[in-house]
Amino acid sequence: EPEVTQTPSHQVTQMGQEVILRCVPISNHLYFYWYRQILGQKVEFLVSFYNNEISEKSEIFDDRFSVERPDGSNFTLKIRSTKLEDSAMYFCASTKTTQGDQPQHFGDGTRLSIL
Amino acid sequence: GNSVTQMEGPVTLSEEAFLTINCTYTATGYPSLFWYVQYPGEGLQLLLKATKADDKGSNKGFEATYRKETTSFHLEKGSVQVSDSAVYFCALSSARGGGNKLTFGTGTQLKVEL
Repeated sequence: EPEVTQTPSHQVTQMGQEVILRCVPISNHLYFYWYRQILGQKVEFLVSFYNNEISEKSEIFDDRFSVERPDGSNFTLKIRSTKLEDSAMYFCASTKTTQGDQPQHFGDGTRLSIL
Repeated sequence: GNSVTQMEGPVTLSEEAFLTINCTYTATGYPSLFWYVQYPGEGLQLLLKATKADDKGSNKGFEATYRKETTSFHLEKGSVQVSDSAVYFCALSSARGGGNKLTFGTGTQLKVEL
């Protein structure tokens, strides 16, 4: 079964540095998402992306965050000027359509640790 | 806005016990409802879904029924196994043009002991 893959599995970065998290969505999917999960807390929506544009973003997704689909396969989340509170597990997800009954397929996540 | 409320964990059960994890939601319109499971060290996996009132989702012995009148989607399993130990997330989606974000509950950790 096709999978969403994320790299790296663990990223350690100094506060104030930039970090890029990478995702390869399922190949025939068109809609892409990032979520984050701070340790012990709920999974929170960050952003959705379709047709090379952000469709929706949450309050968490401030101007330090950006997303990009640089080629036909990768989907990246960039965080500039990282803060300690950015430490979390970041999940990428994809769907073929935006019909509400379509489940999102998640990757295994990237654990981001800001020191 | 949309929200999901789950019973707090951890829930600790003996093998073969009956499981219920409560989930209630608040949403506009007619959301689809999901249960996702997260095994230790892994990502989120879809466990089951229901897309309209009175639908029952089922998978791997787990069931949940979409109850519009009580805005609930409780997860049940008749006989749990040690391998069911994981964190379970209730979630809803309300499709809108160009996006379909999921709103999650806080997750309920299940521990099943021999």
